[in-house]
Amino acid sequence: KNQVEQSPQSLIILEGKNCTLQCNYTVSPFSNLRWYKQDTGRGPVSLTIMTFSENTKSNGRYTATLDADTKQSSLHITASQLSDSASYICVVSRYNQGGKLIFGQGTELSVKP
Amino acid sequence: GAVVSQHPSWVICKSGTSVKIECRSLDFQATTMFWYRQFPKQSLMLMATSNEGSKATYEQGVEKDKFLINHASLTLSTLTVTSAHPEDSSFYICSAMVASGTIETQYFGPGTRLLVL
Repeated sequence: KNQVEQSPQSLIILEGKNCTLQCNYTVSPFSNLRWYKQDTGRGPVSLTIMTFSENTKSNGRYTATLDADTKQSSLHITASQLSDSASYICVVSRYNQGGKLIFGQGTELSVKP
Repeated sequence: GAVVSQHPSWVICKSGTSVKIECRSLDFQATTMFWYRQFPKQSLMLMATSNEGSKATYEQGVEKDKFLINHASLTLSTLTVTSAHPEDSSFYICSAMVASGTIETQYFGPGTRLLVL
């Protein structure tokens, strides 16, 4: 079964601290993996995309990793800010599926002052 | 670039009325758009795939006669919730897809919050 699982479900950290979110997937045939940030009441915004051959991708304070062998990905947030409070969703695409995406349940991150 | 808009951003309606939500790709053309709904604390759930000039493809369990989708142009898709009921209250999000080689990217709209009284 094609699934994407994220952990933790929720996370609270202090402003300025780093954190790492995890994503495990059982999706085949794998095309790419994206991390999205979704603010409350808004649509998801893409942070990073990685294909099979890529194992690290950075976007400012966000760094995503991909291990295609173990089918795991992580999103590391450095020097967190209050505006980082949001839901972070791991999304996997399969080849030749008409663009359909497989969504993780998301990690709810709360950054406290 | 790659901006998707939705209108309205929120709507409150009485039970039994119909509500139309528009999804537009502002600076690109999209042959394929998707409609999702999202309940609180849950992830996006795909409702249907909308292809320009053809009938939408609905996911299992989604009533096509209740959720009417029209993709009349390469930049506009509409979702009409017919005879809305309180259980239809949700956050509706559209996306427009762009393909670059083998990579298909969905750009999401800001969402429309529907409250049916």
